[in-house]
Amino acid sequence: KQEVTQIPAALSVPEGENLVLNCSFTDSAIYNLQWFRQDPGKGLTSLLLIQSSQREQTSGRLNASLDKSSGRSTLYIAASQPGDSATYLCAVRGNQFYFGTGTSLTVIP
Amino acid sequence: GAVVSQHPSWVICKSGTSVKIECRSLDFQATTMFWYRQFPKQSLMLMATSNEGSKATYEQGVEKDKFLINHASLTLSTLTVTSAHPEDSSFYICSARDLTGREQYFGPGTRLTVT
Repeated sequence: KQEVTQIPAALSVPEGENLVLNCSFTDSAIYNLQWFRQDPGKGLTSLLLIQSSQREQTSGRLNASLDKSSGRSTLYIAASQPGDSATYLCAVRGNQFYFGTGTSLTVIP
Repeated sequence: GAVVSQHPSWVICKSGTSVKIECRSLDFQATTMFWYRQFPKQSLMLMATSNEGSKATYEQGVEKDKFLINHASLTLSTLTVTSAHPEDSSFYICSARDLTGREQYFGPGTRLTVT
């Protein structure tokens, strides 16, 4: 069964810093990998989707990479802002979505 | 983009009662819908997969008689929590996959509190 792990579980950084969130998965037979943001008590906001044939995707200050063979993905956030504070979830899609454990990010003004 | 809605967005019910949560794909058809549960500070766990017109497939450990899923049309799936108990209090999120199977969209979630 696919297992998805995210490191670190929690991260606190001062505003303006660049940061990297990590995601690893055990089964490389994936259809795609998606990064989501979840604010407290809210649903999921899709940030970036990387197809299995792609290596990276970029949207604004966000860049996600995928190394399927090693079972790893990273989400890079440039010039962090307090509004980036949220929980970030990575999910890999095989026949279903498998969600990671999440990284809780706090950006301190 | 495609939108998945859930109703209600939050509900409080008494222990022993049943509550129904609706999941609708608003501008696309979905042959497959998924129901997830999320406990506080935990990730999403798949409860069941429903295909239009057929019985849902439940994940191990999920009681099918307690969590009744109906997927009667290509745009609507419902989850009924029967005889709810406080431990069923959770955040329930549905997801719908489009007819191509390539795209999957998530609903905003329903907060269930059982008192």
